[in-house]
Amino acid sequence: GQQLNQSPQSMFIQEGEDVSMNCTSSSIFNTWLWYKQEPGEGPVLLIALYKAGELTSNGRLTAQFGITRKDSFLNISASIPSDVGIYFCAGMTGTASKLTFGTGTRLQVTL
Amino acid sequence: NAGVTQTPKFQVLKTGQSMTLQCAQDMNHEYMSWYRQDPGMGLRLIHYSVGAGITDQGEVPNGYNVSRSTTEDFPLRLLSAAPSQTSVYFCASRDSTGGYTFGSGTRLTVV
Repeated sequence: GQQLNQSPQSMFIQEGEDVSMNCTSSSIFNTWLWYKQEPGEGPVLLIALYKAGELTSNGRLTAQFGITRKDSFLNISASIPSDVGIYFCAGMTGTASKLTFGTGTRLQVTL
Repeated sequence: NAGVTQTPKFQVLKTGQSMTLQCAQDMNHEYMSWYRQDPGMGLRLIHYSVGAGITDQGEVPNGYNVSRSTTEDFPLRLLSAAPSQTSVYFCASRDSTGGYTFGSGTRLTVV
């Protein structure tokens, strides 16, 4: 099956720092999604990307859909303690297709 | 508006026991799916359904059965639980634009 490799696996940063994480695929996706999961909860959608090269922001979060359609990036600026959680990328080949998840990036923010 | 509701939140089973994980959504979504989440492996698709009366296998279907008698409900059955099925299980439904809504999960331990 399709594989999504996400890096880094975990990050420990100080409050106020910027964060970057990425996701790469062995095959092409037409939609890239970024989710955040907090302890004891299901993933919650942060950003959806629908076109190659697209750059989309949601507050302090910015994500980009790679030109090759095989990768995507998520940046968090000026991190705060509530950014703690696991961030997952996910890809779809179309709006009617199944979702394939990355392995997740665990983010810890220290004061 | 409850979204996706999963019950129970926690469950401990003995090897060989059977049980059903419940999932209900009130958004009239046709597409529903079950994922399991294991450390370092992201979320993997178990079974999915594109509408009432229609189900199909995902990436890791062995040991699990599903049915979809109504649009609202999509239960996941473990017929004979095994320790390898210890995991966190998430149900999700999808709208017509491809947006997924996840439940808060069921944490299952098989001893």
